[in-house]
Amino acid sequence: ELKVEQNPLFLSMQEGKNYTIYCNYSTTSDRLYWYRQDPGKSLESLFVLLSNGAVKQEGRLMASLDTKARLSTLHITAAVHDLSATYFCAVDMIEDSNYQLIWGAGTKLIIKP
Amino acid sequence: DAGITQSPRHKVTETGTPVTLRCHQTENHRYMYWYRQDPGHGLRLIHYSYGVKDTDKGEVSDGYSVSRSKTEDFLLTLESATSSQTSVYFCAISGPSFQETQYFGPGTRLLVL
Repeated sequence: ELKVEQNPLFLSMQEGKNYTIYCNYSTTSDRLYWYRQDPGKSLESLFVLLSNGAVKQEGRLMASLDTKARLSTLHITAAVHDLSATYFCAVDMIEDSNYQLIWGAGTKLIIKP
Repeated sequence: DAGITQSPRHKVTETGTPVTLRCHQTENHRYMYWYRQDPGHGLRLIHYSYGVKDTDKGEVSDGYSVSRSKTEDFLLTLESATSSQTSVYFCAISGPSFQETQYFGPGTRLLVL
């Protein structure tokens, strides 16, 4: 059974600081996704990581994937208040011809001015 | 934003009553998904569809049924709602293959009293 664990689950930080969110998964997978969710809103796709060593960057967010370690990181550089949200990672699982994404519990990020 | 709408957006119902949630897309994507989101659980897949009249169960399908009679519509039915089904329900779409990024609808908040 594929399990996806995120840590921390809650993070409060100051503007201007750097921090990293971690996403570990328990079995081999082809793809890893990062999403953002603002309070009371839907989920917005941020990144899809397709292979070992993949790195993608958008503004102050950078995501990377190490398939050997079964680990993805979402790094926040010089955080700003607008990045306050809950961040989810999700991993592909294909089992017995069934496909689904398995989701982490989410990391709630609060960035204080 | 992907053209996905959900209806109703909010619903309060009583235990034992049937409830149907609708997801409508204008993107002509093949794959459609129903998730529920609960605190501490991330998203969990209820059912998904890989074409008209082609559906399959997800991780938490008990107590739910789905139907897809047209490409653009995917219905989720709670045959006899229970308080444990109080949740936020999200529809998602992807295509042309199942391993494409999923795009989410605005969500439906369901309260079962």
